[in-house]
Amino acid sequence: SQKIEQNSEALNIQEGKTATLTCNYTNYSPAYLQWYRQDPGRGPVFLLLIRENEKEKRKERLKVTFDTTLKQSLFHITASQPADSATYLCALDEVRGSSASKIIFGSGTRLSIRP
Amino acid sequence: DARVTQTPRHKVTEMGQEVTMRCQPILGHNTVFWYRQTMMQGLELLAYFRNRAPLDDSGMPKDRFSAEMPDATLATLKIQPSEPRDSAVYFCASGTTTGAIYEQYFGPGTRLTVT
Repeated sequence: SQKIEQNSEALNIQEGKTATLTCNYTNYSPAYLQWYRQDPGRGPVFLLLIRENEKEKRKERLKVTFDTTLKQSLFHITASQPADSATYLCALDEVRGSSASKIIFGSGTRLSIRP
Repeated sequence: DARVTQTPRHKVTEMGQEVTMRCQPILGHNTVFWYRQTMMQGLELLAYFRNRAPLDDSGMPKDRFSAEMPDATLATLKIQPSEPRDSAVYFCASGTTTGAIYEQYFGPGTRLTVT
């Protein structure tokens, strides 16, 4: 069956360290993968998108890798800050060309950065 | 600062009542999505529209849910009759896509409680 799995446990990181979140998938062939941030009581906010033919993408302190052989994406926040504390969701989609989307979200990983 | 707006933000209703949720997408976006989020199931795609035409509603219980986009500035999600298991946060998101989905901008959500 198809599955997306993120770190099921909350992640607690000391401020200034690098936080690494994992997104593993089974029985998918995603065309791309996205990462979102969600704060309590709010909608998800788009952070980064990485395509199947890309290995790595960066945006400021954020870095995403995508390994289609391992069927895994890693999301890194360097020099983490308490303001980075939130739930992070990965989402993937197998859509290609003009086909209809079948976007699927992971259950999310709650990240806490302690001062 | 363009945003997706949703009304109402909170809704408490009794089982069997009709519920209508409204969404105003960001002007210029051609794709609108409806999601449902619960602790147990996470974020699930219910339906989406491109250029006001429904593209996929396979995630939506057809017998009681309906989604429409009467014009480019309004999307609606209706539940009739509502049941306690429909209690969740319903998010609308909009974006600009041709085939593959790129960034989605989420609204603040409607928290629905059915008693």
